[in-house]
Amino acid sequence: DAGVIQSPRHEVTEMGQEVTLRCKPISGHDYLFWYRQTMMRGLELLIYFNNNVPIDDSGMPEDRFSAKMPNASFSTLKIQPSEPRDSAVYFCASSPLRGRERSPLHFGNGTRLTVT
Amino acid sequence: GNSVTQMEGPVTLSEEAFLTINCTYTATGYPSLFWYVQYPGEGLQLLLKATKADDKGSNKGFEATYRKETTSFHLEKGSVQVSDSAVYFCALSGARTGNQFYFGTGTSLTVIP
Repeated sequence: DAGVIQSPRHEVTEMGQEVTLRCKPISGHDYLFWYRQTMMRGLELLIYFNNNVPIDDSGMPEDRFSAKMPNASFSTLKIQPSEPRDSAVYFCASSPLRGRERSPLHFGNGTRLTVT
Repeated sequence: GNSVTQMEGPVTLSEEAFLTINCTYTATGYPSLFWYVQYPGEGLQLLLKATKADDKGSNKGFEATYRKETTSFHLEKGSVQVSDSAVYFCALSGARTGNQFYFGTGTSLTVIP
């Protein structure tokens, strides 16, 4: 199993540009999560999907952020327009749901976004 | 509500020292509890987990026991190594958390030779 795959690993862009982050979850996982990690705020949940449907997007900071999951094997997080304060590491994670036991999250290696 | 509180870092220890990182939680129902580890430049990896009261999770010499009476899940290791230097996150999840995961703020550990 290749694990959760994120691309790109690093993204440097100028303020005002559109940024698209990509994620391929582990095959068979029903849940997909997008997190943002910064020194100041730690790990923040942005949005999560169950069976490709967004369940909770209350963590999405502004309308500039949007996320989609067109199928079970692909999700995108888009920022348009980007701002310097969006600079962070963005993680995608997936998880199956096995019975009553909460299965752990499997994280990708993240995308480090720098907006100048 | 649901939340996780971890001890503040950073923590610096000498090799072979004993490690404790405290974690307490607030949750509705009976959540599962987790410890994740993050090495530099990488994503979080599951270190260990416990799904019910009095369960002990263990992996790579690390242990944590699910204590319902004290709502705690402290991480311990008897003898740390330089390779254990990382950031450690305590987390909870369960059916009554809406299947969300709640993470602590992370504790940075540096082990010096």
